[in-house]
Amino acid sequence: DQQVKQNSPSLSVQEGRISILNCDYTNSMFDYFLWYKKYPAEGPTFLISISSIKDKNEDGRFTVFLNKSAKHLSLHIVPSQPGDSAVYFCAARVSGAGSYQLTFGKGTKLSVIP
Amino acid sequence: GAGVSQTPSNKVTEKGKYVELRCDPISGHTALYWYRQSLGQGPEFLIYFQGTGAADDSGLPNDRFFAVRPEGSVSTLKIQRTERGDSAVYLCASSPGHGTGVTGELFFGEGSRLTVL
Repeated sequence: DQQVKQNSPSLSVQEGRISILNCDYTNSMFDYFLWYKKYPAEGPTFLISISSIKDKNEDGRFTVFLNKSAKHLSLHIVPSQPGDSAVYFCAARVSGAGSYQLTFGKGTKLSVIP
Repeated sequence: GAGVSQTPSNKVTEKGKYVELRCDPISGHTALYWYRQSLGQGPEFLIYFQGTGAADDSGLPNDRFFAVRPEGSVSTLKIQRTERGDSAVYLCASSPGHGTGVTGELFFGEGSRLTVL
């Protein structure tokens, strides 16, 4: 039973355009969400996060939107750059549960075409 | 070092052998996590340490897997009687406190790729 779902295994976008990566979750106890970026042969690196009390968080070219009623979040990258080509993981956690483990989706491979 | 360090980066072993994977977290980070990433999957939680104790080991798949963190810093993941299905990248992560950095993030190492033949 996958609690965090990224239904698009891959996405190709032209350089300069917007990239939209989607993530759905089923566990209503999740209250904090993160996006990680992973290059081949490297560990995941943190990109941006959002608390469930917000519906939007922006950091430079990256914006995360949260729709709690739909249990859906998305990551927008504008404008997309070739260096953004990587696998993006959506992750979620339940705060205050003792263990701050993250539950990850399967990832979406983003290719930004020059 | 500045980041989470994991050794070895690659390990090839034969079915049935014993394996140890080491993680050196960021200095001062009290929380340490082990995750496993199989091909085409996202990282899956294995175990969480707060200090020296395993606060949550609910992700360990069976009793062949064990992890220690005797001095509250370096951790070792131990796998006995390895099976081909154990082949994966084992990721270690640390964080300053109870998994809550400034942005609530975990800091990951580059992983140890285990291949069981």
